[in-house]
Amino acid sequence: DTEVTQTPKHLVMGMTNKKSLKCEQHMGHRAMYWYKQKAKKPPELMFVYSYEKLSINESVPSRFSPECPNSSLLNLHLHALQPEDSALYLCASSQDPGSSYEQYFGPGTRLTVT
Amino acid sequence: GQNIDQPTEMTATEGAIVQINCTYQTSGFNGLFWYQQHAGEAPTFLSYNVLDGLEEKGRFSSFLSRSKGYSYLLLKELQMKDSASYLCAVRDSSNDYKLSFGAGTTVTVRA
Repeated sequence: DTEVTQTPKHLVMGMTNKKSLKCEQHMGHRAMYWYKQKAKKPPELMFVYSYEKLSINESVPSRFSPECPNSSLLNLHLHALQPEDSALYLCASSQDPGSSYEQYFGPGTRLTVT
Repeated sequence: GQNIDQPTEMTATEGAIVQINCTYQTSGFNGLFWYQQHAGEAPTFLSYNVLDGLEEKGRFSSFLSRSKGYSYLLLKELQMKDSASYLCAVRDSSNDYKLSFGAGTTVTVRA
């Protein structure tokens, strides 16, 4: 199983809503990532979890709150988002943070904030 | 920090060869990745270079020159399904967790 799954595929939310994005992998990977990607732009790193601990927060606003309940799951909790937060949110995992291990990406959640 | 440059767009004919260049400037280098991304889909891993030279994988090859801060991805025998964005990503040795992506090169394959 070399798959990273993400739910939901699409999400429309208002600026006062609270929602969560979910990501799951069963490859035994110990590093998991959240990226944000705007149209025609490259992915931008948001958070990195290594061995279930937050290792990197790329100065992401607090309205985005990551959570890693266990080694297979990664959540991104959303609250009081702005329309400019509309984007494709990609989850990725790798066998180990660093070294030559490539990151496997999930299909993404397309988020629209109204 | 990272400064990664690649051409914005390239067009080629089915069956032809296309070379996508990537130049980078980094304070410390620890590997370069190439990813393919079809519109609306997730990036998929193509290749990894950390030492100078050429890595070949079927129709795709990737080359790295660390002294020049330069890599290219070579796509041979182009097929229509190769129409996609190709992303160059560099890992900085000061932070193994982080990949910095170039803006991507959109390749259009024409019949």
